Amino acid sequence: GENVEQHPSTLSVQEGDSAVIKCTYSDSASNYFPWYKQELGKGPQLIIDIRSNVGEKKDQRIAVTLNKTAKHFSLHITETQPEDSAVYFCAAPYSGAGSYQLTFGKGTKLSVIP
Amino acid sequence: DAGVIQSPRHEVTEMGQEVTLRCKPISGHNSLFWYRQTMMRGLELLIYFNNNVPIDDSGMPEDRFSAKMPNASFSTLKIQPSEPRDSAVYFCASSLALRGEQFFGPGTRLTVL
Repeated sequence: GENVEQHPSTLSVQEGDSAVIKCTYSDSASNYFPWYKQELGKGPQLIIDIRSNVGEKKDQRIAVTLNKTAKHFSLHITETQPEDSAVYFCAAPYSGAGSYQLTFGKGTKLSVIP
Repeated sequence: DAGVIQSPRHEVTEMGQEVTLRCKPISGHNSLFWYRQTMMRGLELLIYFNNNVPIDDSGMPEDRFSAKMPNASFSTLKIQPSEPRDSAVYFCASSLALRGEQFFGPGTRLTVL
């Protein structure tokens, strides 16, 4: 199956600074990499995703970069705001033996200090 | 548009009791996933369905766990008998297609005493 490693597990930044979260994956066949944000007491919500045919994708203050050779991808949040405080999860798919499933990283708890 | 609906939101039960968690996926979505979230193990896929058919249940921890999807708008996850180590938040997610974006419900927080 897929093995997804996510770092760091916790991250504190000052409001207005940038935050970067990194993930590595093991299955070289993986071609879809979503990032989810989970606020307290809620389910994870997709915030951005990238497919393997591009190296970078941006959506306002959020960007994701992908390095397929090194099998790692990163989430970049610029101009952080207090409402960005949450747990962020990366994920990568595993396709094998007739199955398809997302494997999630262990999560990064981001705290934005006003 | 209503998102994924899960019930109950909180469940407290005693060891040995049967627990049934319920999920209503987003209308029109063909795939449904059950996840369990704990501090130790993170977010784990238990089982998923495509067009109401179970595809992969290799994540179901034990025979005490079972899941059904009798129709496109309803699924259940049952634990019988429940044990304290089953305490976790259980999420249901649905997607338009198997490889599409997964939309998560609010989760059911299960506590087994």
